[in-house]
Amino acid sequence: DSGVTQTPKHLITATGQRVTLRCSPRSGDLSVYWYQQSLDQGLQFLIQYYNGEERAKGNILERFSAQQFPDLHSELNLSSLELGDSALYFCASSLTGGKGGYTFGSGTRLTVV
Amino acid sequence: DQQVKQNSPSLSVQEGRISILNCDYTNSMFDYFLWYKKYPAEGPTFLISISSIKDKNEDGRFTVFLNKSAKHLSLHIVPSQPGDSAVYFCAAQRSGTYKYIFGTGTRLKVLA
Repeated sequence: DSGVTQTPKHLITATGQRVTLRCSPRSGDLSVYWYQQSLDQGLQFLIQYYNGEERAKGNILERFSAQQFPDLHSELNLSSLELGDSALYFCASSLTGGKGGYTFGSGTRLTVV
Repeated sequence: DQQVKQNSPSLSVQEGRISILNCDYTNSMFDYFLWYKKYPAEGPTFLISISSIKDKNEDGRFTVFLNKSAKHLSLHIVPSQPGDSAVYFCAAQRSGTYKYIFGTGTRLKVLA
């Protein structure tokens, strides 16, 4: 157990629907990152939050949004889902967000049918 | 534009031999690099890192080499063990930013 908790582990939904992925960071970590891994692709950075505020943004689609709550858990909202959104979504956390590695959760596998 | 590239999607190595995983990058502003290991159904786990002020960092069986002029880093695993079989990702961070750019991964299979 890495200490980063992601729920749900698996999600199957239809095109056009909206889903919410949840992440609880490791205790004490202030920074949360979201990454997307599509089939045979590397991890694509989506967005980072630090202590409740957005700090960095990657190639995140406008249909996607995220937030970090006062208790530091984060949610990634995916709307108007398309087949191509099927992927593994990883959340990671770190203490400060600077140098050093992240701790990753085990991911949420999203399947859009 | 893939700024971090792992050109070998897979690698097979005999147990006890050396595994060498390679990673190339294009952005000369990257100043911190990491390797992650990923088992199926798990998230990536941090393995080893190196700052651009160094050319080598060692941790047990794992050594990372950085060649800044060639924009190339490599991970050496000696000796390789069957438990090392996993997907290995390299990642790079640009000075002044917080995100890491990941490569597409290399699947290592260590044969017993």
